[in-house]
Amino acid sequence: ILNVEQSPQSLHVQEGDSTNFTCSFPSSNFYALHWYRWETAKSPEALFVMTLNGDEKKKGRISATLNTKEGYSYLYIKGSQPEDSATYLCAFWDSNYQLIWGAGTKLIIKP
Amino acid sequence: GAGVSQSPRYKVTKRGQDVALRCDPISGHVSLYWYRQALGQGPEFLTYFNYEAQQDKSGLPNDRFSAERPEGSISTLTIQRTEQRDSAMYRCASSLVQGAYEQYFGPGTRLTVT
Repeated sequence: ILNVEQSPQSLHVQEGDSTNFTCSFPSSNFYALHWYRWETAKSPEALFVMTLNGDEKKKGRISATLNTKEGYSYLYIKGSQPEDSATYLCAFWDSNYQLIWGAGTKLIIKP
Repeated sequence: GAGVSQSPRYKVTKRGQDVALRCDPISGHVSLYWYRQALGQGPEFLTYFNYEAQQDKSGLPNDRFSAERPEGSISTLTIQRTEQRDSAMYRCASSLVQGAYEQYFGPGTRLTVT
């Protein structure tokens, strides 16, 4: 059974601080890893799609890294702002095209 | 269309009735996904299609749930004999193809079973 875990479940961060969290996934049969940002009452929005070991992606103050050999991806947010408050979800595709979502990390930025 | 659309946006139905939820994906997107989202929770995968072929229905909770995409475009998720526990937000998403392309989500249908 494929399992994707995100940690921590929730995170309180002071405005201006940087933070990071983790998505762990099976290290075999990797195909792709997605990161999404989801604000309650809205639809999830894609941040990154990562397919190659060692991939690093960046969008503004948010970046992500990928290690397929050990089965983890990190999402980093630099200089957190109140608008970064959201749940960050990762989604793992294996090479059999099976899709598994993590439960998310809820990020709360304290002013 | 410009984005993924879903209808109806809100549906209230009585327990035991059948409901059909519609998803219209982004034009040209091969892959279409259905999710269920409980309040405050992340998306729970139900099923997905490539063109008209259902690729994975392992997430459908039971045989009261079914989905189709007969012409490879619009999709319908049908819930038969609805139960109160079926109340949730049902979201549809589409992507250019499966796997290596991001999913674009629709606004969802809020289903309430009374």
